[in-house]
This record gives sequence, structure tokens and C-alpha cells, in this order.
Amino acid sequence: EDQVTQSPEALRLQEGESSSLNCSYTVSGLRGLFWYRQDPGKGPEFLFTLYSAGEEKEKERLKATLTKKESFLHITAPKPEDSATYLCAVQALGSEKLVFGKGTKLTVNP
Amino acid sequence: NAGVTQTPKFQVLKTGQSMTLQCAQDMNHEYMSWYRQDPGMGLRLIHYSVGAGITDQGEVPNGYNVSRSTTEDFPLRLLSAAPSQTSVYFCASSFRGGTYGYTFGSGTRLTVV
Repeated sequence: EDQVTQSPEALRLQEGESSSLNCSYTVSGLRGLFWYRQDPGKGPEFLFTLYSAGEEKEKERLKATLTKKESFLHITAPKPEDSATYLCAVQALGSEKLVFGKGTKLTVNP
Repeated sequence: NAGVTQTPKFQVLKTGQSMTLQCAQDMNHEYMSWYRQDPGMGLRLIHYSVGAGITDQGEVPNGYNVSRSTTEDFPLRLLSAAPSQTSVYFCASSFRGGTYGYTFGSGTRLTVV
């Protein structure tokens, strides 16, 4: 069974304090690993798709990396507007379905 | 370009009532799906469709019904609402394979009393 575990459940940072969120996964064969951002009362917003170990993608202060067992979302010099819940999901080979982790709630204090 | 549109945004039902949650997309996506999101449980897949006329069950399908008669629409039917179906429901769509990510709607918050 495909599984995704995200840690920590919640993270509080000061503005400018860099950190990383973890997404550990088990999947029969990885088609893609997805990162989403979700603001309160809204639907998830797509950030990145990673396909193979060693791949990296960046968007503004966010950088996602992938190994064979986990993915990291690195946040460099975060700002209060980066506060949100970050969701990780995996898609197995031959499947259209996404399996989500429970998310990491990030709070960035000014 | 509206993306994925869900209606209604909020709904209160009495136990035993039925209703349909609407989902429409204008991006010509083949794949559409329904998720529910509960505190501490994350997003769980209810039903999905890979094209018009094709649907399949996800992780938590009991008590829900779907059909896909057009590419654009993917309604979710609650047959006889139960308090356990109190949740936030999200519809999502993508091109086959999800290469460009899945686009989510803004959600329907359903309360069953």
C-alpha cells in the first residue's frame, strides 16, 4: 500500500529563519511526487512535481528535492506570507490517483 | 479561465437527506476526482474518473455515487447523508498523468446534523 508521512506536523519559524519539511514515502513504483500549498479555507495549490531521485525544483523561496525514500521542501529566508499547510502526495506508476500525507502546518512570525 | 468550480461552498443537511455536490472544469482535463479532508486525516480519495463514461472507486467510496457524462462535469452524490460525512470536499482535475499538477476547486464544507 502506498503511504506518505510528513514531518513535522507543525513548524513555527521566525521571518528569515530557513528550515526544511520532510516527506517520507513508500510506493510500488514512483510516477511522481507532488508538493502543494494550502491556505485556510482554500483548495490545495500546486507547487512542484518531482519524478526521479536527484531531481530538484525551485520557486521563489522554496526548493524541493527528491531521493528514493523521501522528499524535502526547503524554505529559505521565509516571510509571513509563506505561512500555510504544505501537502506532499505520491502517484504510483500506472495510476492516476494521488495519495496524500497529512501535511505540515508552517507558521512564519514577523 | 475559471479552472475548477465547486458548488455549493457551504451546505447543512439532515441525516438521511440526499444531495449532489457539483464540480465543473473548463481546462479539457481528462482526469477528475473527489477528495474529502478531515482534521488529522489528510485528503482521502472518494471516487475518480479518467474520462467521460469511466469512473472508479477510491479509498473511501461508501455512501457516495458519481457519474461522468461529459468531460467538464463530475458530480458527487450523497445518497443518504450521515454525520460521518461531515467534511470538506474537494474536486480536482488534471491531464492524464498529472504532469502539470492537479488543479483543485475551492471546496464544499458539508455539515450533516
